[in-house]
Amino acid sequence: DIQMTQSPSTLSASVGDRVTISCRASQSISTWLAWYQQKPGKAPKLLIYKASSLESGVPSRFSGSGSGTEFTLTISSLQPDDFATYYCQQYDSYWTFGQGTKVEIK
Amino acid sequence: QLQLQESGPGLVKPSETLSLTCTVSNGSVSTISSYWGWIRQPPGKGLEWIATIYYTGRTYYSQSLKSRVSISVDTSKNQVSLKLSSVSAADTAVYYCARTYSSSWFDPWGQGILVTVSA
Repeated sequence: DIQMTQSPSTLSASVGDRVTISCRASQSISTWLAWYQQKPGKAPKLLIYKASSLESGVPSRFSGSGSGTEFTLTISSLQPDDFATYYCQQYDSYWTFGQGTKVEIK
Repeated sequence: QLQLQESGPGLVKPSETLSLTCTVSNGSVSTISSYWGWIRQPPGKGLEWIATIYYTGRTYYSQSLKSRVSISVDTSKNQVSLKLSSVSAADTAVYYCARTYSSSWFDPWGQGILVTVSA
């Protein structure tokens, strides 16, 4: 099974900050990676697919990069609506989620 | 716009079988390249993929749950079902169904259903 490891587990930031979340795969997954945002009591929302493709309707302050085993989700200027938990997910071989990164108010 | 809705009992007794249904609307479970998956999330924890099915009946299971899980599709009812046997408190979670296009990312998702395992 492919394991996905996110870091950090929790991130404290302020509005306007540039935020970076990392996701590492236990083996190469090319660019078969998605990122989701989840708010309390809600289903996850797709942000990024194929490592760097922005889902329609998602603000351009979100971006994804990486390939192989190392991936990054960047929020260029954190907005109040962005405080949430973020998950990466590989789909190279079956499906696996990272453990999540909670972005909280500093 | 494709919509998914989970349904089933919110309370299941230990050792019994959890049975959930996902009803697809504004679309068809038989759409070419549309796969249908179940994902769960224990309270306060992360997401765990459980199983995925294609309308032809091809199935994919999480290795950790494979011995207890069964996923099926009913094209006549436009539904996808999940059965999880021999449940314990560790199976208490919000269960989501979601579509994956060409077995890739999950989108859209249902709203989720909380299933509690308790006597």
